[in-house]
Amino acid sequence: DTGVSQDPRHKITKRGQNVTFRCDPISEHNRLYWYRQTLGQGPEFLTYFQNEAQLEKSRLLSDRFSAERPKGSFSTLEIQRTEQGDSAMYLCASSFSGQLNSPLHFGNGTRLTVT
Amino acid sequence: AQKVTQAQTEISVVEKEDVTLDCVYETRDTTYYLFWYKQPPSGELVFLIRRNSFDEQNEISGRYSWNFQKSTSSFNFTITASQVVDSAVYFCALDPTGTASKLTFGTGTRLQVTL
Repeated sequence: DTGVSQDPRHKITKRGQNVTFRCDPISEHNRLYWYRQTLGQGPEFLTYFQNEAQLEKSRLLSDRFSAERPKGSFSTLEIQRTEQGDSAMYLCASSFSGQLNSPLHFGNGTRLTVT
Repeated sequence: AQKVTQAQTEISVVEKEDVTLDCVYETRDTTYYLFWYKQPPSGELVFLIRRNSFDEQNEISGRYSWNFQKSTSSFNFTITASQVVDSAVYFCALDPTGTASKLTFGTGTRLQVTL
């Protein structure tokens, strides 16, 4: 069990650029989640997948955001035409739905700074 | 609507002191789950405990204990004999579905333990 891995750890980009983050969940976990955390706040749910199916998206996920999990393993989160308000920590988590109430295991996050 | 309130923004204690972190939640669901997560400076959210709304028994794990009171919608967390390694931000979270797919987090309490 190597834990949830996120890449990159930090990303600095100019407003208007596109960015993509990657998340590798714990290998036996079939659920994968994306959360966003701004400074001084708790994480906020963005979206989650069960296997390759995206089951729910938050209203926070505007049209500029897209998440994929094509083979039911790793996931990518892309932000197009970044805005300064997108600056945040993007957290990925995974769990196994086969276990009753399996808790979420979080990665270290990707910190995005939009200048 | 779900809401989690952690009124204490920051707490400072001296090592070996006991400290209690407060959590008050709001939900209309009759079945729900409550969580505590720890976020050290490294950024990774570490799962501490999950509590079912039907189980009001208090729980103790080493120096950690949790007091769940449904009557006051509170789920408080006490660290006994605090240590410097306990310094972190602690988040309380609510899961109204029991599937752990979408957690509502509080804003967190930053605990600073000094020598």
